[in-house]
Amino acid sequence: NAGVTQTPKFQVLKTGQSMTLQCAQDMNHNSMYWYRQDPGMGLRLIYYSASEGTTDKGEVPNGYNVSRLNKREFSLRLESAAPSQTSVYFCASSAIRASAGELFFGEGSRLTVL
Amino acid sequence: SQQGEEDPQALSIQEGENATMNCSYKTSINNLQWYRQNSGRGLVHLILIRSNEREKHSGRLRVTLDTSKKSSSLLITASRAADTASYFCLHSSNTGKLIFGQGTTLQVKP
Repeated sequence: NAGVTQTPKFQVLKTGQSMTLQCAQDMNHNSMYWYRQDPGMGLRLIYYSASEGTTDKGEVPNGYNVSRLNKREFSLRLESAAPSQTSVYFCASSAIRASAGELFFGEGSRLTVL
Repeated sequence: SQQGEEDPQALSIQEGENATMNCSYKTSINNLQWYRQNSGRGLVHLILIRSNEREKHSGRLRVTLDTSKKSSSLLITASRAADTASYFCLHSSNTGKLIFGQGTTLQVKP
């Protein structure tokens, strides 16, 4: 049982390049989330998907897009990367709304934008 | 920012001592959760306490919640070197918003 799997684990981009972070969960969870973690800032929610077919903005959505491809997969796209998007990105899932139950996290994707 | 606050930001103790970290929040909550993050890894859920609970135990962990003071504390008893990690609180407001604290970095020296 893999839980939440994120790819890639590491990525270096140049300013203006695009890329997609992939996330998949095998726990049949309804809700999925993308967070970014920066030193001294804790984790901030970028986008979330409460259920298949729905997505909503979190605290810091600017510069990102998401796709809930199916119940298992939730991708995060940077259309034109900027140095301010250098961060560690975490995908998470929960069986029900995270406000009612625990989140399960992937191991993170470390992105550097030059 | 609506981020919760945690203190201390960093804590260094000897193995066998107890570690206490605190989390404060600003909104009404449904529940509050604590997570651990080992260096370079994802977060792992430790414990959830509901707004109508005052104290909860799980092994060497004890969590308290004081809704009148809008604060929670996590106590790790008889700490071990393996407890070295960052600890985050996550609270869920009545509107469903999820807010992480900024974390406490705990170092347990052998």
